[in-house]
Amino acid sequence: GAVVSQHPSWVICKSGTSVKIECRSLDFQATTMFWYRQFPKQSLMLMATSNEGSKATYEQGVEKDKFLINHASLTLSTLTVTSAHPEDSSFYICSASTAGGEDTQYFGPGTRLTVL
Amino acid sequence: QKEVEQNSGPLSVPEGAIASLNCTYSDRGSQSFFWYRQYSGKSPELIMFIYSNGDKEDGRFTAQLNKASQYVSLLIRDSQPSDSATYLCAVITFTFYNQGGKLIFGQGTELSVKP
Repeated sequence: GAVVSQHPSWVICKSGTSVKIECRSLDFQATTMFWYRQFPKQSLMLMATSNEGSKATYEQGVEKDKFLINHASLTLSTLTVTSAHPEDSSFYICSASTAGGEDTQYFGPGTRLTVL
Repeated sequence: QKEVEQNSGPLSVPEGAIASLNCTYSDRGSQSFFWYRQYSGKSPELIMFIYSNGDKEDGRFTAQLNKASQYVSLLIRDSQPSDSATYLCAVITFTFYNQGGKLIFGQGTELSVKP
């Protein structure tokens, strides 16, 4: 089956620092990658949709200057949380699909970010 | 009205029973429907997808879709304690803002299977 990896699996950082999270599709080429955030006891909330070689499309209320997304290749997308603050602490999950979202999305294992 | 709605539960069933999880969606243009299982602290794991009206069976799992009623369900037969997790219903919606679809999740139903 399709495998998606994320790195790191967890990170603890000080307030004001930037954190980069990588999402890789290991055995398929991902035309589209998605970034989600999940707070405790809540469902996944889509943050942005990322297509290879083009700018990401952000959901309403998500600051694109704070959450920088780069989709440089068909197997790699990165999310950088800039100047992280405690309220950014969350579980960040990426997913990848071979089509523009119409196909099944396969999820990475997630990255737990804790900002002190 | 939320785009995808689920009962948050918890739903408690005894081991060996059938667990029934329900989901309704608001966008009549939705074409693709998914059920994911999420264990605590882990990311979602795909269980099944369904595109056509009717039933789709895969092992102990059966997904049911009724587009006229905008309703999708998941039945788990012979429930096991290892099935205890949160089950997320997800729907791909199409809007003119997107070139493709995006996956909208329900809030999830917590299932507890008691030995």
